[in-house]
Amino acid sequence: GENVEQHPSTLSVQEGDSAVIKCTYSDSASNYFPWYKQELGKRPQLIIDIRSNVGEKKDQRIAVTLNKTAKHFSLHITETQPEDSAVYFCAASYNNQGGKLIFGQGTELSVKP
Amino acid sequence: DAGITQSPRHKVTETGTPVTLRCHQTENHRYMYWYRQDPGHGLRLIHYSYGVKDTDKGEVSDGYSVSRSKTEDFLLTLESATSSQTSVYFCAISEIYGKTANNEQFFGPGTRLTVL
Repeated sequence: GENVEQHPSTLSVQEGDSAVIKCTYSDSASNYFPWYKQELGKRPQLIIDIRSNVGEKKDQRIAVTLNKTAKHFSLHITETQPEDSAVYFCAASYNNQGGKLIFGQGTELSVKP
Repeated sequence: DAGITQSPRHKVTETGTPVTLRCHQTENHRYMYWYRQDPGHGLRLIHYSYGVKDTDKGEVSDGYSVSRSKTEDFLLTLESATSSQTSVYFCAISEIYGKTANNEQFFGPGTRLTVL
């Protein structure tokens, strides 16, 4: 079945540095790749997503890149701030039905002031 | 936040008892999902629904059943709760455009379930 691997599981950076989180997926038919941010005790919320017909997408300090050939995608956060501290999940659609998503295991990002 | 509520928000129960969790939405979205979240596993899909009375299994459906008799409500039932079902349960909703145009899933606030 579909599998999504996410690395690293924890990431600590200094405020102002960049952070990169990487995910790989197994289903070559996957065509939708969202990233969710979950603050402690809160619900996951979408921060950015990318579809398979696009290689890169940016929204202010965050960007996502997709390499369909290698079946991996990455989240890039520049100029990190303490409020970026959270758990980040990548996900990939599978079977192209019902909007089903397979999530990665999560990355706990800590931004130190 | 999208109009999604979950009830109860917290529940402690004993092994072997039945438990029903409710997800209610006011967005009229066609798709609804139940996930469980456990440390080291991310979010895993239990069951999902693509319309009233239309449901299907996810990755970890054993021990769970669902029902959707109205667009706005999606119920998750643990027929006989076990300690391995201790988890945080999230409901999510989505609208799909066309056959494959996935779109954002909006999550509810979660239910923390403890099975003793």
